[in-house]
Amino acid sequence: DTGVSQDPRHKITKRGQNVTFRCDPISEHNRLYWYRQTLGQGPEFLTYFQNEAQLEKSRLLSDRFSAERPKGSFSTLEIQRTEQGDSAMYLCASSQVQSLATLYEKLFFGSGTQLSVL
Amino acid sequence: AQKITQTQPGMFVQEKEAVTLDCTYDTSDPSYGLFWYKQPSSGEMIFLIYQGSYDQQNATEGRYSLNFQKARKSANLVISASQLGDSAMYFCAMRGLGGGADGLTFGKGTHLIIQP
Repeated sequence: DTGVSQDPRHKITKRGQNVTFRCDPISEHNRLYWYRQTLGQGPEFLTYFQNEAQLEKSRLLSDRFSAERPKGSFSTLEIQRTEQGDSAMYLCASSQVQSLATLYEKLFFGSGTQLSVL
Repeated sequence: AQKITQTQPGMFVQEKEAVTLDCTYDTSDPSYGLFWYKQPSSGEMIFLIYQGSYDQQNATEGRYSLNFQKARKSANLVISASQLGDSAMYFCAMRGLGGGADGLTFGKGTHLIIQP
């Protein structure tokens, strides 16, 4: 169990550029989440996958944001035409859920990708 | 909609003392789960403890316990015998009946500093 890994750790980009972040969840975890955390705030839920299916994406911040999880393994989060307001920490988390009805779900988070848009 | 309020932006505590981190919540869901996560400077959120809204007893996990008062909508985290390694940001979070579709709603966090 190597934990959730995210790449890159830091990304600096110019406004208007596209960026893509990668998340490798704990192997065999069936759920994968993306969160955004801005300075002084708690994480904010963006989207999640159950295996390869993206079951919730209405919380993505705009149509510039998209996420994929091909084959139910790693996931990517892409931001197109970045804006300075996109500067934040982007966190990925994974979990193994046995029952869809349970409220208890232990998330394992990665260390995040810190995005700075100049 | 769910809301988490953490009213303590920062706390300084002497090593070996007990610590209580406050959390109040608001939700219209009849069933919900409450969570506490720790975020050290490395950035990785670490799960600490969980309390279900219908659990009869307060949750405990080692040095962590959750003081759950449903009528007051509070879910305070208690850390017994604090250690220097407990210095970190602490976030209270909740989820409702939507399960994964809701994600977790987090508070703004409390920055805990343990002093020797």
